[in-house]
Amino acid sequence: GAVVSQHPSRVICKSGTSVKIECRSLDFQATTMFWYRQFPKQSLMLMATSNEGSKATYEQGVEKDKFLINHASLTLSTLTVTSAHPEDSSFYICSAPDVSAHSGNTIYFGEGSWLTVV
Amino acid sequence: KQEVTQIPAALSVPEGENLVLNCSFTDSAIYNLQWFRQDPGKGLTSLLLIQSSQREQTSGRLNASLDKSSGRSTLYIAASQPGDSATYLCAVKGNMLTFGGGTRLMVKP
Repeated sequence: GAVVSQHPSRVICKSGTSVKIECRSLDFQATTMFWYRQFPKQSLMLMATSNEGSKATYEQGVEKDKFLINHASLTLSTLTVTSAHPEDSSFYICSAPDVSAHSGNTIYFGEGSWLTVV
Repeated sequence: KQEVTQIPAALSVPEGENLVLNCSFTDSAIYNLQWFRQDPGKGLTSLLLIQSSQREQTSGRLNASLDKSSGRSTLYIAASQPGDSATYLCAVKGNMLTFGGGTRLMVKP
């Protein structure tokens, strides 16, 4: 069945460096993907909507220059955390809707990425 | 491996009815469980978050319960409205976040 693959599942980086997280739709094309973040003991929160071929739409309070999103193809969206700091340590997860006729707009999620900034 | 199941997959009710959505999970070693709403083409909206030590959470017409030992959670929606029509997802947080398949709710005027 359709799968969304997210990589890496865990990453540790030094403060001040940048980290890229990939989200791929393996069996379907996704013109839209969603990026979420979850801090410990808090709800999963939508960060931005990634649109293939155009700029991402960011939720209020999310810094565009800090969290760069690139949706360069119909199967790949990337989230780059630039100049990461310890407060960026969090759980990041992507999702993509399969809008093909046989799917009925099923939403698929990646397994998430744990980011730790030291 | 955690498995999360939501029943029913789809539900259609007349406006005003009270309804219950079910979520079951196989591994009770969880940190929390969260209920989301998703409208077509939109991202998830968080509805309720229940920590593993809690039994229920309430927000307006929504009430979510958690029975960790039996691996079950329910989302109760009181006095349903057409605006409640959406897909409802539960997600269980263990080492990873595992989502159920969702329940598509249609509330008819």
